[in-house]
Amino acid sequence: AQRVTQPEKLLSVFKGAPVELKCNYSYSGSPELFWYVQYSRQRLQLLLRHISRESIKGFTADLNKGETSFHLKKPFAQEEDSAMYYCALIGTGGFKTIFGAGTRLFVKA
Amino acid sequence: SQTIHQWPATLVQPVGSPLSLECTVEGTSNPNLYWYRQAAGRGLQLLFYSVGIGQISSEVPQNLSASRPQDRQFILSSKKLLLSDSGFYLCAWGESGANVLTFGAGSRLTVL
Repeated sequence: AQRVTQPEKLLSVFKGAPVELKCNYSYSGSPELFWYVQYSRQRLQLLLRHISRESIKGFTADLNKGETSFHLKKPFAQEEDSAMYYCALIGTGGFKTIFGAGTRLFVKA
Repeated sequence: SQTIHQWPATLVQPVGSPLSLECTVEGTSNPNLYWYRQAAGRGLQLLFYSVGIGQISSEVPQNLSASRPQDRQFILSSKKLLLSDSGFYLCAWGESGANVLTFGAGSRLTVL
């Protein structure tokens, strides 16, 4: 069965500190992995996807198939990064995107 | 450009009353359409998805149903609401094969 696990419900860091939001997945094939973000009073939106292999707003995520992980990282957190972050996957040729429970990131001044 | 509209934004309904949440997409054709429920600590739960007019796939047994009467219209309904139907409902669309979802602003339903 497809499953996305985000072990941390809340992550609090100081401004300028590194941040890592963990995501592990369960899928028998080769899924596509995503990070979506929801800022306060804004719509849920795509942050990045693993096939793009790009950095968005300083965030990067590397797909580790051996560990079935797709952790989101940023070397220096900013206050404007405070938001709800969801890890998600979609299976090969599938129509369904499965989301994790989400991690709320709070960046303190 | 493509836009997605979802309404009503908030709704307070008594137990046992019917429900209709509507979602429409503009600027695209034959989108994949989705209904999710967002609950604190539980993430986004996929309720229904549709890959074409009249084609509805249900993910979880529940008190809700979905319909797609037109290409870019997706409706979430219930004949009799339960207290447990309270929550935040999100509509989303994606281009067939593109895999990225674009979400609506959401509808907050409170059942009393």
